Amino acid sequence: GENVEQHPSTLSVQEGDSAVIKCTYSDSASNYFPWYKQELGKGPQLIIDIRSNVGEKKDQRIAVTLNKTAKHFSLHITETQPEDSAVYFCAASMGFQKLVFGTGTRLLVSP
Amino acid sequence: DTEVTQTPKHLVMGMTNKKSLKCEQHMGHRAMYWYKQKAKKPPELMFVYSYEKLSINESVPSRFSPECPNSSLLNLHLHALQPEDSALYLCASSQDPGQGREQYFGPGTRLTVT
Repeated sequence: GENVEQHPSTLSVQEGDSAVIKCTYSDSASNYFPWYKQELGKGPQLIIDIRSNVGEKKDQRIAVTLNKTAKHFSLHITETQPEDSAVYFCAASMGFQKLVFGTGTRLLVSP
Repeated sequence: DTEVTQTPKHLVMGMTNKKSLKCEQHMGHRAMYWYKQKAKKPPELMFVYSYEKLSINESVPSRFSPECPNSSLLNLHLHALQPEDSALYLCASSQDPGQGREQYFGPGTRLTVT
């Protein structure tokens, strides 16, 4: 079945720096790739997603890129702020209804 | 509005108890999901309901029993749980069960089995 690898597991940056989180998926049939932000004690929040017919998508300070050939997709956060601190999960859609999640990245933004 | 609500927020139960978790959405979504999340791990899919019918059971033990009374409600009935079942139980919904539909999560129920 689908397997999603996510790196790094932890990422510490200074406020204002950029942060990049990378994921690799195994099933070339996957065509939907969402990113979730999970703050302590809360459920995952969908922050951005991309479909396989698009190479890049941007929403204010966050962007996602997709390389279908290499089966890589990445989350880019620019001008990081302390409130960006959270655990971020990538996911890939493996067939109808099923999302397979990466292992998560704990992002810490220091003031 | 993309709100999914879950009750209770916290639940402590003994191994002989019977309890239920409740999930509700009023977005007109026709697919609803139960996930289990252990500490420092990603969510793991348990069940999927499509148009109020169970469509996926990820080999979940029978001590977990899902129910979808109508298109807005999803329950998870718990009976004779084990301490290792302690986790955050998340409900999610999507417009329909098609591939590539955004899934929106509720805040979860933190379950502790003693």
